[in-house]
Amino acid sequence: AQTVTQSQPEMSVQEAETVTLSCTYDTSESDYYLFWYKQPPSRQMILVIRQEAYKQQNATENRFSVNFQKAAKSFSLKISDSQLGDAAMYFCAYRSPGGTASKLTFGTGTRLQVTL
Amino acid sequence: DARVTQTPRHKVTEMGQEVTMRCQPILGHNTVFWYRQTMMQGLELLAYFRNRAPLDDSGMPKDRFSAEMPDATLATLKIQPSEPRDSAVYFCASGLVIPTRGGNQPQHFGDGTRLSIL
Repeated sequence: AQTVTQSQPEMSVQEAETVTLSCTYDTSESDYYLFWYKQPPSRQMILVIRQEAYKQQNATENRFSVNFQKAAKSFSLKISDSQLGDAAMYFCAYRSPGGTASKLTFGTGTRLQVTL
Repeated sequence: DARVTQTPRHKVTEMGQEVTMRCQPILGHNTVFWYRQTMMQGLELLAYFRNRAPLDDSGMPKDRFSAEMPDATLATLKIQPSEPRDSAVYFCASGLVIPTRGGNQPQHFGDGTRLSIL
C-alpha cells in the first residue's frame, strides 16, 4: 500500500516571501500521479497542482511549483510571493494510474500561516 | 464552473438516528468517491464507484454504513444507526477516469457535510 508523509504539521511565512512544504511518499509503482490540495477554513478541497510521475519536468501553476524527485520519492510544494489568501491546510496526495486503483491517498496535512 | 454539490452542508443529530448525505457529481464524470475527514485520522477513503458500480468500499464500516448511486446524478452515503464516533466532515469527489489513459484526471471535491452526532 502507498503511504504519504508530510513531516511539517505547521509552517509560517511572511507575506511576499517564499515557502516550501515537504512531502514524501512510499510506493513500489513506477507510474503514478501526485497532487497538492489546499483546504482553507471554508473546508473546500481545492486542487493546487499535479504532477505525472513519468514527466521529468516539474509542474508549475503561477506562484506554485513543485520539486519532484522521483528517486528520492519526494514531492515538495513551493509557494512564491506568498499572499494572505494562501493561508490554509495543504495536503499532498498520491494516486495510482487508472483502472480501478484511482483513489487518492492523502498525507496528514501542513497548516500554513501567512503573516504580515 | 461545474461543481460537485453536497447536501446537507451541516447535520446535527442524536445517536441512533439515520443520516443520509447526498452528492451530485459533475456531469460527465464517471467516478464518485466518498472521503471522511477527522482530526485523528485525516482524510480517508470510504468508498468509490465507477460508472455507478461500487469498486471499493473496504474503508467503510459495513455494519452501519452504506453507499449507493441510484443514478448517474446522485450518490448517497447512509449511516444507520449513527454513533458519536461518526462525527466528521464527509466529502464527495468526482472525476473522469479513463483507464487506458492512466487516470490522469484530477478529482473535484464538494464542500463537504459536517456531521455531528450527539
